[in-house]
Amino acid sequence: DARVTQTPRDKVTEMGQEVTMRCQPILGHNTVFWYRQTMMQGLELLAYFRNRAPLDDSGMPKDRFSAEMPDATLATLKIQPSEPRDSAVYFCASGLVIGRGSYEQYFGPGTRLTVT
Amino acid sequence: GENVEQHPSTLSVQEGDSAVIKCTYSDSASNYFPWYKQELGKRPQLIIDIRSNVGEKKDQRIAVTLNKTAKHFSLHITETQPEDSAVYFCAARMDTGRRALTFGSGTRLQVQP
Repeated sequence: DARVTQTPRDKVTEMGQEVTMRCQPILGHNTVFWYRQTMMQGLELLAYFRNRAPLDDSGMPKDRFSAEMPDATLATLKIQPSEPRDSAVYFCASGLVIGRGSYEQYFGPGTRLTVT
Repeated sequence: GENVEQHPSTLSVQEGDSAVIKCTYSDSASNYFPWYKQELGKRPQLIIDIRSNVGEKKDQRIAVTLNKTAKHFSLHITETQPEDSAVYFCAARMDTGRRALTFGSGTRLQVQP
């Protein structure tokens, strides 16, 4: 039963610190998404990648957030410096897209970030 | 871009009753509509999806209907059970590899035993 994995599962940090969240997509999946979930905003798309290249990161605050895929099995989301308003659950999701075809996406367990 | 509205935000039903959650979307080009279930503290899980070449899809106690003309789609859960209690999210996108899902705001379903 292949699953998306994320680390850490929980992170508590102080304002101003750098936070790095990691995601391992399902093996073979070529599309990776980062979402942020808060009570007020629901599920917001931050960025997504196809074959490691960013397709859209318009949902991400560029001044402090950055997302990368160093290789096909690892996606990272960094926040520097972190602020209390960044407190949320961050989900990674992955899917397999072939050509212009349809795909389903599957979520990881999330990283619960608390910035004090 | 796409905008998805979901209603109601909370829904309480008695065990055994049916539950219906409705979503509307704005982009007429959208043609893929999945539903995700999220239990407390867990990841959203895909439970059913529908593409615009069909009007209805069923999977045991769960069904989804789609009205492309009116741009709305609904999730129907029959014979609800306490384990159906969760937050349900609808989503929509154009069914090509270059689009991402836009999610509704979620419906918290509570099934009372």
